[in-house]
Amino acid sequence: QSALTQPRSVSGSPGQSVTISCTETGSDVGGHNYVSWYQQHPGKAPKLIIYDVSKWPSGVPDRFSGSKSGNTASLTISGLQGEDEADYYCCSYAGIKTFYVFGSGTKVTVL
Amino acid sequence: EVQLVESGGGLVQPGGSLRLSCAASGFTFSSYWMSWVRQAPGKGLEWVANMKQDGSEKYYVDSVKGRFTISRDNAKNSLYLQMNSLRAEDTAVYYCARESDDSSGYNFDYWGQGSLVTVSS
Repeated sequence: QSALTQPRSVSGSPGQSVTISCTETGSDVGGHNYVSWYQQHPGKAPKLIIYDVSKWPSGVPDRFSGSKSGNTASLTISGLQGEDEADYYCCSYAGIKTFYVFGSGTKVTVL
Repeated sequence: EVQLVESGGGLVQPGGSLRLSCAASGFTFSSYWMSWVRQAPGKGLEWVANMKQDGSEKYYVDSVKGRFTISRDNAKNSLYLQMNSLRAEDTAVYYCARESDDSSGYNFDYWGQGSLVTVSS
């Protein structure tokens, strides 16, 4: 059974960069690039900000960037802004039948 | 503009049933896989179920197999989740989400605002 581990929280000052890791354990982990990231503000629905490890949906600023090395995917927020304070979730395709696994979520705090 | 609007949530006793609906607009509903994703209070996201464009394939997370049934009506641009034998641990906000098209891999590119289901006596 695949599982995704994220740090519980990260923080940074405005203008700084922060990186959130997402480490997969379990089967069929590093063998594909179907990792996506979602931003969720309190009381709101999640919003897709990165897909296929490092691609941007339309309208998402390039301050958000994604990468992957082995079993660990990462989301980097550059030039941190107050509006970036939110929860962030990674998600990986886990194969047919299981389909999707979400990470535990990371709270980003802008100091 | 793509819109997904959930309805049907509420308070239900343990062992009871509830049916969620998701009304889709702004895109060709019949061309997309659709999913339900839930979020327990103060907790993370959990994928619950999804269904292929024509309804011929459907998949569930293990914890709801045999209790929940996903369905869709492409003529009405609607997705449903029939939830039976509800348990306290099913308490969550349930989101309807569109899965991206084949060229964009596996992800959820649009989400509804969510519908709260509370299972309590």
